[in-house]
Amino acid sequence: TQLLEQSPQFLSIQEGENLTVYCNSSSVFSSLQWYRQEPGEGPVLLVTVVTGGEVKKLKRLTFQFGDARKDSSLHITAAQPGDTGLYLCAGILLAAGNMLTFGGGTRLMVKP
Amino acid sequence: DAGVIQSPRHEVTEMGQEVTLRCKPISGHNSLFWYRQTMMRGLELLIYFNNNVPIDDSGMPEDRFSAKMPNASFSTLKIQPSEPRDSAVYFCASSNLGLANEQFFGPGTRLTVL
Repeated sequence: TQLLEQSPQFLSIQEGENLTVYCNSSSVFSSLQWYRQEPGEGPVLLVTVVTGGEVKKLKRLTFQFGDARKDSSLHITAAQPGDTGLYLCAGILLAAGNMLTFGGGTRLMVKP
Repeated sequence: DAGVIQSPRHEVTEMGQEVTLRCKPISGHNSLFWYRQTMMRGLELLIYFNNNVPIDDSGMPEDRFSAKMPNASFSTLKIQPSEPRDSAVYFCASSNLGLANEQFFGPGTRLTVL
């Protein structure tokens, strides 16, 4: 069982559709990061959220940190084939020192 | 500016052999991390260093794994002896000021142990 559960694990959609992926835990995080990983490459940071209830936007991507800092969501508007990749959330747990824990990831495919 | 550099990019070896993975972090970064990624277990933190000192190695799976950082610009992850279940992609990442800040990942080393 992972400390950070991501859902869905796989998502295949058509270009232009909207989607939301979730990152949930029963533990409180001091901060949470979202990364995107493309095949054959390492993850690349998209955003860091720190404050409960915080919302950050990155073009068509909207990130939200839950009020209790136990969960986060990533919403993509009008998905494009270039959004295809593995989306990973990663958090620093308050109760576990300074360890960074990754979720299992959501593998997104956007078809043209 | 070069990112995190890892070598080799691909490694195929036979069970029982020693494997050494290498990493050069981004110049000026004071934290370095080794991760392992598999389909089954996702991305797992193995060990991280701050200022060349190992801070937490609780993610290292067993004594067959060891990591060193002799200086600020070089780190190695060694597996001896290797086993088929060690097959995975191993990533090195670096950052400033520990875990809370953005981590920059290398391209990874894909290890296959036959």
